[in-house]
Amino acid sequence: GDSVTQMEGPVTLSEEAFLTINCTYTATGYPSLFWYVQYPGEGLQLLLKATKADDKGSNKGFEATYRKETTSFHLEKGSVQVSDSAVYFCALSDPRGYQKVTFGTGTKLQVIP
Amino acid sequence: DTEVTQTPKHLVMGMTNKKSLKCEQHMGHRAMYWYKQKAKKPPELMFVYSYEKLSINESVPSRFSPECPNSSLLNLHLHALQPEDSALYLCASSPVRGSSGNTIYFGEGSWLTVV
Repeated sequence: GDSVTQMEGPVTLSEEAFLTINCTYTATGYPSLFWYVQYPGEGLQLLLKATKADDKGSNKGFEATYRKETTSFHLEKGSVQVSDSAVYFCALSDPRGYQKVTFGTGTKLQVIP
Repeated sequence: DTEVTQTPKHLVMGMTNKKSLKCEQHMGHRAMYWYKQKAKKPPELMFVYSYEKLSINESVPSRFSPECPNSSLLNLHLHALQPEDSALYLCASSPVRGSSGNTIYFGEGSWLTVV
């Protein structure tokens, strides 16, 4: 079945550091890929998405590129802020339209001043 | 800002109580979802409604009873819950099908504590 693997956290960075959170996936066909962010005490917010190979999703300074050859969708940001501290979930959805989303285990990011 | 609205935000209930969680969306989505999320875990799918009909039930115990009164509303009726059911319950919605790959939009969640 489909699966998503994320790097273990927590990740602790100083403000303005470069961020990479690795995400790889296993899926049949051509899934859509997502990053969701969950701030403390809140629900999940869609951060960015990509629906086909080589697409780059971007939002709020975060970027991720759909790499079919390496089955990866790594999240990057050039300069993190304290306000980026949250849990980040990589996810994929079945392109056939079945309403199931497969989530990774989540990576907690803590940014210190 | 989320366009999926959930109430209540917090709920404490006894094991013999009956309560309901409510969800509303006005994005015109015809698929709606309930997820359960325990601390430090990803969300787990419970139910999916597609065009107001239950399409997926992930073997959820009958003490959780979903209801979709119309295309904008989704309820989760709770009865005789156990302390281990304490969790964050997330409602979500999405288009049924589309080129955007079923992008799912979540609400802020309802924090449930069973005592």
